Amino acid sequence: EVQLLESGGGLVQPGGSLRLSCAASGFTFSSYAMNWVRRAPGKGLEWVSGITGRGGGTYYADFVKGRFTISRDNSKNTLYLQMNSLRAEDTAIYYCAQDVAAVAGAFDFWGQGTLVTVSS
Amino acid sequence: EIVLTQSPGFQSVTPKEKVTITCRASQSVGSSLHWYQQKADQSPKLLIKSASQSFSGVPSRFSGSGSGTDFTLTINSLEAEDAATYYCHQSSNLPHTFGQGTKLEIK
Repeated sequence: EVQLLESGGGLVQPGGSLRLSCAASGFTFSSYAMNWVRRAPGKGLEWVSGITGRGGGTYYADFVKGRFTISRDNSKNTLYLQMNSLRAEDTAIYYCAQDVAAVAGAFDFWGQGTLVTVSS
Repeated sequence: EIVLTQSPGFQSVTPKEKVTITCRASQSVGSSLHWYQQKADQSPKLLIKSASQSFSGVPSRFSGSGSGTDFTLTINSLEAEDAATYYCHQSSNLPHTFGQGTKLEIK
């Protein structure tokens, strides 16, 4: 059974940093691209970033370029999102999602999400 | 960036009714169009991938069709448990984009 478990969310001040983690199990982690998708309060889903299975390719939405960094540790079956220079508009539930094609497919499985609140 | 426009944005429906949700892309996405269901306080779940392929374990009342720029999600014989927000998603071009969502309310 595929399981994705996010952690690391919380309350942070504008300009601050957070590191999200997504622990994966139930599948061969290094064989799958992974993505971060967020949902802000009262809004729809928004793709944030994706990374290929071996980590050689990383991709970002324009609104996080230069501020967020996606990475993975395949030896630990864990996906990360380093978020710097956080803004109020980054407040959202952040989900990790498995992608069967190299950041070019459907998101077959999703974690339960972790809430990030950016506020002073 | 490819813009996905869903319609309707909201629909109130009765059980056993047939529901059709459309998703129009601002440029062709081929068949790289997928549908998700998100219930309140839950994470999204994949229903249909590549326009018309049902994902494992999804009830047969859910089906998808279309290609290029126009796509449809159909729910036959709606059940009370189908109350949720439905999203389309394109993976043809980066950045991935989602439709704004269609909220289904069960009367």
